[in-house]
Amino acid sequence: DAGITQSPRHKVTETGTPVTLRCHQTENHRYMYWYRQDPGHGLRLIHYSYGVKDTDKGEVSDGYSVSRSKTEDFLLTLESATSSQTSVYFCAISESELAGSLTNTGELFFGEGSRLTVL
Amino acid sequence: ELKVEQNPLFLSMQEGKNYTIYCNYSTTSDRLYWYRQDPGKSLESLFVLLSNGAVKQEGRLMASLDTKARLSTLHITAAVHDLSATYFCAAIHSGNTPLVFGKGTRLSVIA
Repeated sequence: DAGITQSPRHKVTETGTPVTLRCHQTENHRYMYWYRQDPGHGLRLIHYSYGVKDTDKGEVSDGYSVSRSKTEDFLLTLESATSSQTSVYFCAISESELAGSLTNTGELFFGEGSRLTVL
Repeated sequence: ELKVEQNPLFLSMQEGKNYTIYCNYSTTSDRLYWYRQDPGKSLESLFVLLSNGAVKQEGRLMASLDTKARLSTLHITAAVHDLSATYFCAAIHSGNTPLVFGKGTRLSVIA
């Protein structure tokens, strides 16, 4: 199994409070992602990172920020949590460039998820 | 913009029966991925389909890819209860762009 650890695994917070979720990997993979999973929506990309200090927005990035100061850690921050951000958050990692690689398939490896409830 | 649609979204099937889950995507995609998720768990990679005509099989599951039709299928043969889970397909537009997931198919296999 890929070495991906998410923390916290469960969190209950109140509207308006800041929340930070952490994703830690031991695989030295270049790419890291944050997805949220909600009933009826599948997985939707929030932000992703393609290297230290290199990040980009995904489909549902409003209300979220990210930071990646070292290869192994990717932080997702909700500056002021809202009830609509109640969800299960998954971190994922993948290897680097697809082109020219015989072994890199580009598949994602997922963490165990962090369940966030905003009251 | 790449969009991925799965159908059906819910599937209840009897043990021993065969069925197919369909995954359509809207624009050219280099690759197609299938994942399985058990309730309350993470996503587990099942298949990676790398080219047109690719077919992969694992046990009672077989996945195929038709890039010209922008269609992938996940065929279930002689279903057993252990296959009950949610199955996701995901496509990638090109290069290193992130995977785009379908909404998932919740499969329930009943006796």
